[in-house]
Amino acid sequence: DGGITQSPKYLFRKEGQNVTLSCEQNLNHDAMYWYRQDPGQGLRLIYYSQIVNDFQKGDIAEGYSVSREKKESFPLTVTSAQKNPTAFYLCASRDGGSGANVLTFGAGSRLTVL
Amino acid sequence: GENVEQHPSTLSVQEGDSAVIKCTYSDSASNYFPWYKQELGKRPQLIIDIRSNVGEKKDQRIAVTLNKTAKHFSLHITETQPEDSAVYFCAALGYSSASKIIFGSGTRLSIRP
Repeated sequence: DGGITQSPKYLFRKEGQNVTLSCEQNLNHDAMYWYRQDPGQGLRLIYYSQIVNDFQKGDIAEGYSVSREKKESFPLTVTSAQKNPTAFYLCASRDGGSGANVLTFGAGSRLTVL
Repeated sequence: GENVEQHPSTLSVQEGDSAVIKCTYSDSASNYFPWYKQELGKRPQLIIDIRSNVGEKKDQRIAVTLNKTAKHFSLHITETQPEDSAVYFCAALGYSSASKIIFGSGTRLSIRP
């Protein structure tokens, strides 16, 4: 799957529960990203990380949290504070070198709140 | 902050005709502009990209043009085929924010038989 693995592919959650989406890459990429996609809409940036132990908020970070303890891993936690969490979540990574800007996506995780 | 606007949001063309999708960006320091194709239920896939030191790039039926002065870039698909039906996204790498990549809102392209 292009070196980026997201799990689970489908996830159902009850209101009030936190849930963590996994993203692992074996591409040795420095930068990693989380995007949210709603039906018929574009990709909105939640969080991104340029290096280990560092991350920045994107445009819609409220109700989400991330960690970057290892270069290969960038898990996303959807907290109970996220008012409308049902969406398709895409993780991506990119080589941080100045000449290597190609963004590679995982297959996505579809979260449904019951 | 950085912003990327994409038009049109939907586009329907006759098979064999050409399709053009346009994007504008706000950060004049942006230097990399990729285009992604997303089929239903699948991940976005890179189809072509262009860097700010180039005005045009072609790959078979697909081409991208960049006008740095006007801060806009366009995707051109010629001789469209049914398999071109998908959602297309443009993006701009905001140099001032290093790794932050902002996407346009997407264009749903439909090819009529």
